Amino acid sequence: QPVLTQSSSASASLGSSVKLTCTLSSGHSSYIIAWHQQQPGKAPRYLMKLEGSGSYNKGSGVPDRFSGSSSGADRYLTISNLQSEDEADYYCETWDSNTQVFGGGTKLTVL
Amino acid sequence: EVQLVESGGGLVKPGGSLRLSCAASGFTFSSYSMNWVRQAPGKGLEWVSSISSSSSYIYYADSVKGRFTISRDNAKNSLYLQMNSLRAEDTAVYYCARDFEVTDYWGQGTLVTVSS
Repeated sequence: QPVLTQSSSASASLGSSVKLTCTLSSGHSSYIIAWHQQQPGKAPRYLMKLEGSGSYNKGSGVPDRFSGSSSGADRYLTISNLQSEDEADYYCETWDSNTQVFGGGTKLTVL
Repeated sequence: EVQLVESGGGLVKPGGSLRLSCAASGFTFSSYSMNWVRQAPGKGLEWVSSISSSSSYIYYADSVKGRFTISRDNAKNSLYLQMNSLRAEDTAVYYCARDFEVTDYWGQGTLVTVSS
């Protein structure tokens, strides 16, 4: 079963860009993942599905400021022109053997 | 517009039972697998259970196996989670989620509190 590793926290300034990382465990570097955003006190929101090739498909209404990329076992979520509403927890997700797996989440602070 | 609306949460004593429901709309419910995902206070997301579109395949996390039962009624566009033998560690917000290999839609969640 894959394990998804995320940094516990990240910070960046308003109007800047930030790149969050989700790392797949050994033997699972080709897996597709999803990125989800959870603003304080709200339900998670699906952002995108991201393939190992770097190709991604965003959910409905997700701003163009959000993009995805991949390198080996690493899956990235890049947020450009950071806004205050981007301050949230970000989770990656994948699946294997009929099990959904979530990363521990990254808490993004917008300074 | 896809909508998933959970209900049935509340306060229950340890050892008690609760049944959660999720009403789905805005898509062909019978064509999708569905999941329950929970989030304990201040913690991350934890997958609980999955059910295939026709209920042929059902899976549970080890933490709930033997105590929780997932089911669905495609005629009513509804998903359910029967929770028995509840423990304090089951306290969480429970989310209904549509499965498209990964989760692509989430409900707003319903809070389950297990406490004496």
